[in-house]
Amino acid sequence: AQSVTQPDIHITVSEGASLELRCNYSYGATPYLFWYVQSPGQGLQLLLKYFSGDTLVQGIKGFEAEFKRSQSSFNLRKPSVHWSDAAEYFCAVGSILTGGGNKLTFGTGTQLKVEL
Amino acid sequence: EAGVTQSPTHLIKTRGQQATLRCSPISGHTSVYWYQQALGLGLQFLLWYDEGEERNRGNFPPRFSGRQFPNYSSELNVNALELEDSALYLCASSALTGASQPQHFGDGTRLSIL
Repeated sequence: AQSVTQPDIHITVSEGASLELRCNYSYGATPYLFWYVQSPGQGLQLLLKYFSGDTLVQGIKGFEAEFKRSQSSFNLRKPSVHWSDAAEYFCAVGSILTGGGNKLTFGTGTQLKVEL
Repeated sequence: EAGVTQSPTHLIKTRGQQATLRCSPISGHTSVYWYQQALGLGLQFLLWYDEGEERNRGNFPPRFSGRQFPNYSSELNVNALELEDSALYLCASSALTGASQPQHFGDGTRLSIL
């Protein structure tokens, strides 16, 4: 069965510093990987996705992620963090359901705090 | 383009009651997914509807059910509410089927069981 591990529950960075959030997945086939962000009291916003091809994918808000098959990782990065990036970040793997649907399996999330 | 909308924002019920949560997908999206985000349990897949039919469900008891209407909006019904049903219920929609299709989420309904 597929699973996603986000080893860091909380991360604190200073505004302007670089950021890397870790994500490891377990999936038998080619993974479909996603990063979502959740601000307090809101739903999930898609930051970026990886399906195939270039292993470095660009997303919204200046985020990027790199897929490394050998390490089963899909880490999220941002070169310079802004105070508005404080939120909870979820990594997810998509798996095909019978009938063609897409079930997302999420990690437990990483809470990002940004110090001014 | 309007995003996924959910109503109500908050819902307070007591044990044993029934709750009905509603979701309107993005225009043109035919697939609707429901997820439960409970404290300590994370985000878990609940149900998937497509073209008016329930296509798949996660590891939840039958008292979690729902339907999808001809306009692709969806309802989630939770019967015989229990304290552990307290959670944020998120609805998501996607345009097509397939594991590569991103899901777009609403802001959720916060269900509190007293």
